[in-house]
Amino acid sequence: AQSVTQLGSHVSVSEGALVLLRCNYSSSVPPYLFWYVQYPNQGLQLLLKYTTGATLVKGINGFEAEFKKSETSFHLTKPSAHMSDAAEYFCAVSNDYKLSFGAGTTVTVRA
Amino acid sequence: GAGVSQSPSNKVTEKGKDVELRCDPISGHTALYWYRQSLGQGLEFLIYFQGNSAPDKSGLPSDRFSAERTGGSVSTLTIQRTQQEDSAVYLCASSLAAGRGSNQPQHFGDGTRLSIL
Repeated sequence: AQSVTQLGSHVSVSEGALVLLRCNYSSSVPPYLFWYVQYPNQGLQLLLKYTTGATLVKGINGFEAEFKKSETSFHLTKPSAHMSDAAEYFCAVSNDYKLSFGAGTTVTVRA
Repeated sequence: GAGVSQSPSNKVTEKGKDVELRCDPISGHTALYWYRQSLGQGLEFLIYFQGNSAPDKSGLPSDRFSAERTGGSVSTLTIQRTQQEDSAVYLCASSLAAGRGSNQPQHFGDGTRLSIL
């Protein structure tokens, strides 16, 4: 069994500020972890993924995430928010082919 | 095109009617998935196709839902006798060969927004 919990359904940040989106997972086997972003009326776009190896994963658009097994976490960060980062973000876990998604976090960016 | 293509982008229909949603995966991707995104339930897995193997239908919510994949490429998701609770965005994704231990990322289409009146 596997599941994901995203803490905070809405996050508001100022342009240029740190973006931090929290994700905790539960998995009976070593997980594969993903972050996806969804812009309005669009599908999901992969930001980054963790499979094995280096626990700090860099993705597109300046985002990165760190896998912490001891904390069962995979938090997403970006040092400096841009207006174009306003979207909904989903954390997902998989150990075969099914993705189990968190409820999502909506990010708004204030000018 | 280079990405996953879904049609129609929007569909409005009356309760009780049947609907067909289409997905054209990325060329060369052998794995295809359907998910449903709704306000109440979030993103839910519906069905998975991998090559010629029997599909995993474990996520289909009722026997009114069915899907097929012809020739290992295009897939159609059919909902019979639609109900208002079927209103949602239906997302299709594809990936290279998937399976236990696979980490192939799934590439999503823009979805079909289904509204049942």
